[in-house]
Amino acid sequence: NAGVMQNPRHLVRRRGQEARLRCSPMKGHSHVYWYRQLPEEGLKFMVYLQKENIIDESGMPKERFSAEFPKEGPSILRIQQVVRGDSAAYFCASSPEGRNQPQHFGDGTRLSIL
Amino acid sequence: AQSVTQLGSHVSVSEGALVLLRCNYSSSVPPYLFWYVQYPNQGLQLLLKYTTGATLVKGINGFEAEFKKSETSFHLTKPSAHMSDAAEYFCAVSHTGTASKLTFGTGTRLQVTL
Repeated sequence: NAGVMQNPRHLVRRRGQEARLRCSPMKGHSHVYWYRQLPEEGLKFMVYLQKENIIDESGMPKERFSAEFPKEGPSILRIQQVVRGDSAAYFCASSPEGRNQPQHFGDGTRLSIL
Repeated sequence: AQSVTQLGSHVSVSEGALVLLRCNYSSSVPPYLFWYVQYPNQGLQLLLKYTTGATLVKGINGFEAEFKKSETSFHLTKPSAHMSDAAEYFCAVSHTGTASKLTFGTGTRLQVTL
């Protein structure tokens, strides 16, 4: 049973370009979470989605960032007009429906902005 | 609002010695508590979780943690450190109830020496 799959593992973009990060949850998981980890820091929550719905986006920057989890296909975290400060590791986690379900993490996408 | 404090960003122990990583939380509702481990360039792996019931929780790789409500603590211990335990450890808290976001501490890097 494959784990949470994130791609690409590494992504390099120039300032002003767009970055698209993909996350395929574990089979049977309907909840997806995105977290950002800056160097030498813990993970910070960004957004929580279920299929076709954003449940909690309280950690998302107000501009340039968006996320979706369509009915078919992976969840996408999109960053428009990237800036140097967007350089970080972005982690996706998934969990199944129900109470007390732990989140399972992917290996992350390391985004570098030139 | 919830928060997690991990005392000691770096902890060094000798192989075979006791491992103690500290975690204190703040939560206005009964918490769910987690410990995750992160190896270099990888995602987070769940070590153990506390939801309800027994306050001493056993996890993988010989780790355990005890939930102490009176001290708002959830310290992670292992009786005998192994070289392979060297990694970054994160304590996290979430709301009770249905699936929700995790709030992480800033992490403790464990070094194991010969």
